[in-house]
Amino acid sequence: TQLLEQSPQFLSIQEGENLTVYCNSSSVFSSLQWYRQEPGEGPVLLVTVVTGGEVKKLKRLTFQFGDARKDSSLHITAAQPGDTGLYLCAGAGGTSYGKLTFGQGTILTVHP
Amino acid sequence: DAGVTQSPTHLIKTRGQQVTLRCSPKSGHDTVSWYQQALGQGPQFIFQYYEEEERQRGNFPDRFSGHQFPNYSSELNVNALLLGDSALYLCASSFGGSGTQYFGPGTRLLVL
Repeated sequence: TQLLEQSPQFLSIQEGENLTVYCNSSSVFSSLQWYRQEPGEGPVLLVTVVTGGEVKKLKRLTFQFGDARKDSSLHITAAQPGDTGLYLCAGAGGTSYGKLTFGQGTILTVHP
Repeated sequence: DAGVTQSPTHLIKTRGQQVTLRCSPKSGHDTVSWYQQALGQGPQFIFQYYEEEERQRGNFPDRFSGHQFPNYSSELNVNALLLGDSALYLCASSFGGSGTQYFGPGTRLLVL
């Protein structure tokens, strides 16, 4: 069974601070996706990383896929209150073709 | 370009009843996956439909069943509802089964 361990589970920071969310597994994934979810809504895709060692930037968000394609991180620079939400990592492929395996999620609260 | 749509948005049922949830995929997508998300948790994969057949299934009992129609829309049926079935049910669509999955807003099911 493929598992994704996401940490931390909760993060409460002040506006302007930096933060990193980690997503780790013992399994290899063909791709890894990061989503952001607001309460009562579906997850919204932020980025897909597919190549080991890949780094993608989306404004103040930086995503990295580990060289072995088993782990990933999301770094947010100068967090803003609008960044508040549930951040989810999800692995695809490997032995679970077509199925997304999600981490437990990180609830981020950015205080003004 | 319409995204993934789901209906209804909210539903209240009692134990033992049956429920049907519906999903229309994003334009151009042919694959529909269903997920169950408990409060504060990451989504859990239920099953995936491609070419009107169930291609992959997660660790859910046979009370959970589905169907995909020729227009690629899909239904999720849950029989003999239990209190523990209360959750947000998410539909995600993709192309070819292994592509990036895009989520709908979900159906919030409450079982009393």
